Amino acid sequence: QVHLVQSQAEVKKPGSSVRVSCKTSEVTFKTYTLNWVRQAPGQGLEWMGRIVPTLNDARHDRKFEGRLAIFADTSTYTIHMDLSGLTSEDSATYFCARTNPTSYGGYDYWGPGTVVTVSS
Amino acid sequence: DLVMTQSPVSLPVTPGEPASISCRSSRSLLHGRGDNYLDWYLQKPGQSPQLLIFLGSNRASGVPDRFTGSGSGTHFTLTIDKVEAGDVGVYYCMQALQTPNIFGQGTKLEI
Repeated sequence: QVHLVQSQAEVKKPGSSVRVSCKTSEVTFKTYTLNWVRQAPGQGLEWMGRIVPTLNDARHDRKFEGRLAIFADTSTYTIHMDLSGLTSEDSATYFCARTNPTSYGGYDYWGPGTVVTVSS
Repeated sequence: DLVMTQSPVSLPVTPGEPASISCRSSRSLLHGRGDNYLDWYLQKPGQSPQLLIFLGSNRASGVPDRFTGSGSGTHFTLTIDKVEAGDVGVYYCMQALQTPNIFGQGTKLEI
């Protein structure tokens, strides 16, 4: 069974940074692309970026240029998303979700989400 | 970036009746190999999104055959044959042809 285990909820001050983590299995880490998608309260889904963990090849939406970093920890099969320069507009639930890069089959498994609240 | 437009925004339905959601892309999602890179997701209240349909018309594992994805190029449709109470939630289409992957604004299915 596939499990994507995400880190706990965070409360951050404006201007600070947050790290959200997504722990996977060895098979998922070595075979799949992991994506980050966020959802502001009451709003729709927004793709942020993705990483191929074995290559540490990360891409992100240029909307987040300069303040989003996505990277992989090969020792724990975990991917991390660092978002800096937080504002209230970054208050959202952050999901990781996997896709197969060689035989596309959609975002077939999603993590439970991590709630990030940005408030002074 | 590609723009994805869904309609309707809200869809009141009666159990047992069919339902249909439209999704349009600002550019063709047809890949050279013949696949349309368009997915459908359902987000039930309080849950993470779940995959229903990938590559335009392929049902994900465990998805009932009441759900059908169709269309090609720039116009796609998700059809639910006979709506059940458990189908309520927000349905999203998403283009996966290029990054950034873009989601439609969502369609809220209500009983």
